Amino acid sequence: QSALTQPPSASGSPGQSVTISCTGTSSDVGDYNYVSWYQQRPGKAPKLMIYEVSRRPSGVPDRFSGSKSGNTASLTVSGLQAEDEADYYCSSYAGSNNFVFGTGTKVTVL
Amino acid sequence: EVQLVESGGGLVQPGGSLRLSCAASGFTFSNYWMHWVRQVPGKGLVWVSRVNTDESGIGHADSVKGRFTISRDNAKNTLYLQMNSLRAEDTAVYYCAREAVPGGNDYWGQGTLVTVSS
Repeated sequence: QSALTQPPSASGSPGQSVTISCTGTSSDVGDYNYVSWYQQRPGKAPKLMIYEVSRRPSGVPDRFSGSKSGNTASLTVSGLQAEDEADYYCSSYAGSNNFVFGTGTKVTVL
Repeated sequence: EVQLVESGGGLVQPGGSLRLSCAASGFTFSNYWMHWVRQVPGKGLVWVSRVNTDESGIGHADSVKGRFTISRDNAKNTLYLQMNSLRAEDTAVYYCAREAVPGGNDYWGQGTLVTVSS
């Protein structure tokens, strides 16, 4: 159950796009379409932004999108806004009622 | 309004035990799978445990297997985490979360801090 690998940081100017990768293995990301993405602001609980690789919960702006290829999932934030500055974590089902989170990426809006 | 309220955290010595509780309200608790997730302040999220609606399906992270046990009481709308043989590395904020969609946790509690130290 090793953590999924994410880049420590990502940044972009307002209006630009940023893409965060989430690399796992053939036993988690590569084997299941149960990849989720969470946004966490300082001092707050995580917020679900994407589930089942690319589905958005109600209320999440369509600027947030998800995809997957092989063992790597990605979150893209288009049209960056100041409010998007936060930590982002991916999560994947890993079989047998087990899950694993990513290492986390701090997104900075320049 | 959906609410998840954790309690039971605190300071405990290495080797000791604690039981965390998560009181759920505002939804039909018995219909949802539930998780515990922990986070060392300033560090990343770490998945701990998951339980299905009737406790027939349970998973624990390797780091806590054999020491922690997740359970639930649907009559009391409460999720539990029994933590035994606690270690310094178990020090973290522990969140309970509701799994509303496969693998996606849509509501989280505010967290309860567990500190393992002598």
